[in-house]
Amino acid sequence: EVQLVESGGTLVQPGGSLKLSCAASGFTVSNNYMSWVRQAPGKGLEWVSLIYIAGSTYYADSVKGRFTISRDSSKNTLSLQMNSLRAEDSGVYYCARVPQDTTMVYFDYWGQGTLVTVSS
Amino acid sequence: EIVLTQSPATLSLSPGERASLSCRASQSVSNYLAWYQQKPGQAPRLLIYDASNRATGIPARFSGSGSGTDFTLTISSLEPEDFAVYYCQQRSVWPPVFTFGPGTKVHIK
Repeated sequence: EVQLVESGGTLVQPGGSLKLSCAASGFTVSNNYMSWVRQAPGKGLEWVSLIYIAGSTYYADSVKGRFTISRDSSKNTLSLQMNSLRAEDSGVYYCARVPQDTTMVYFDYWGQGTLVTVSS
Repeated sequence: EIVLTQSPATLSLSPGERASLSCRASQSVSNYLAWYQQKPGQAPRLLIYDASNRATGIPARFSGSGSGTDFTLTISSLEPEDFAVYYCQQRSVWPPVFTFGPGTKVHIK
């Protein structure tokens, strides 16, 4: 059974840093495209970042230069390092899988999310 | 950048009624469009991918149609558990940027 479990969300001050993790089971993270998607309180979904199988990474303009997506094959985990955090980065962060051997333009499995609050 | 517009923003319907949700893209996305359902406090759930394919375990009352710039998610007969927010989503070819629509909230009339 495919499962994604995020962790690491907490209250952090503006300008601070935080690292989110997503533990995967039932499949291999490094054999799939993986993404982070966030949702501000009461708002819609916003794509944040993507990592390809080959390791190439891509980011939304709103986080480019501040966030870094990575993976650890030995632990089968996905991570998101977030620096220079702003109030508008607050929200629930989801990790999500892009299924392979498909058109690879959608997310088939999502974690339950982890809450990040950026506030002084 | 491709922009997705969803209408209506809110839909008030009764159980048993038919729901039609629209998603329009600012330029053609071929059939590379997905639909998700999200209930309060839960993660989104994939309903439809590639415009018209139901995801695993999704009931047959959910169907998707359209191509190019105009897409529709239809729920043939609303069940109580279907009252939720629905998002459409696409991915641009290059650079790979994923975009979500603003959502349509379906609530009980």
